[in-house]
Amino acid sequence: ELKVEQNPLFLSMQEGKNYTIYCNYSTTSDRLYWYRQDPGKSLESLFVLLSNGAVKQEGRLMASLDTKARLSTLHITAAVHDLSATYFCAVDSNYGGSQGNLIFGKGTKLSVKP
Amino acid sequence: DAGITQSPRHKVTETGTPVTLRCHQTENHRYMYWYRQDPGHGLRLIHYSYGVKDTDKGEVSDGYSVSRSKTEDFLLTLESATSSQTSVYFCAISVKGGLYNEQFFGPGTRLTVL
Repeated sequence: ELKVEQNPLFLSMQEGKNYTIYCNYSTTSDRLYWYRQDPGKSLESLFVLLSNGAVKQEGRLMASLDTKARLSTLHITAAVHDLSATYFCAVDSNYGGSQGNLIFGKGTKLSVKP
Repeated sequence: DAGITQSPRHKVTETGTPVTLRCHQTENHRYMYWYRQDPGHGLRLIHYSYGVKDTDKGEVSDGYSVSRSKTEDFLLTLESATSSQTSVYFCAISVKGGLYNEQFFGPGTRLTVL
């Protein structure tokens, strides 16, 4: 059974600092997703990572995937208040196949303070 | 928001009453999903559909049923609502993008069972 763990679950950062959110998963997968959720809102897709060593960047966020370690990271560079949100990773449960279901981590609530 | 609407957006009901939530998409995507989101649990899959009249159970399907009589509509029914079903419910569709499928989420329905 695929399990997805994120840490930390809560993260309070100062503006301008760097930090990393970790997403570990328990069984082999080849598709990993990162989402952002603002309070009271829906989930917004950030990144799709498909292969070992994949790296994607958007603004101050960079996501990477190590399929051998079953680990993805979401790195935040020089945090700003607008990045305050909850971030979820999700892993496709159907390795090597077509459409699978997503298993979500519990989310990391990020708060960026001045 | 990928053309997904949910109705109602908010509902308060009493224990033991039936409740139906509706998810509507404007594009003919084959896969649709119902998730619930609770503090400390992330998103958990309730049921999903891979076509008209084709549905299957997810991780937390007990107490819920679904129907899909048209491609664009996916209904979630709580036959007899309980307080443990108080949650935020999200519908999602899966959009094929080359080598992968990506899920996009509706705005959510906040359900309170008293």
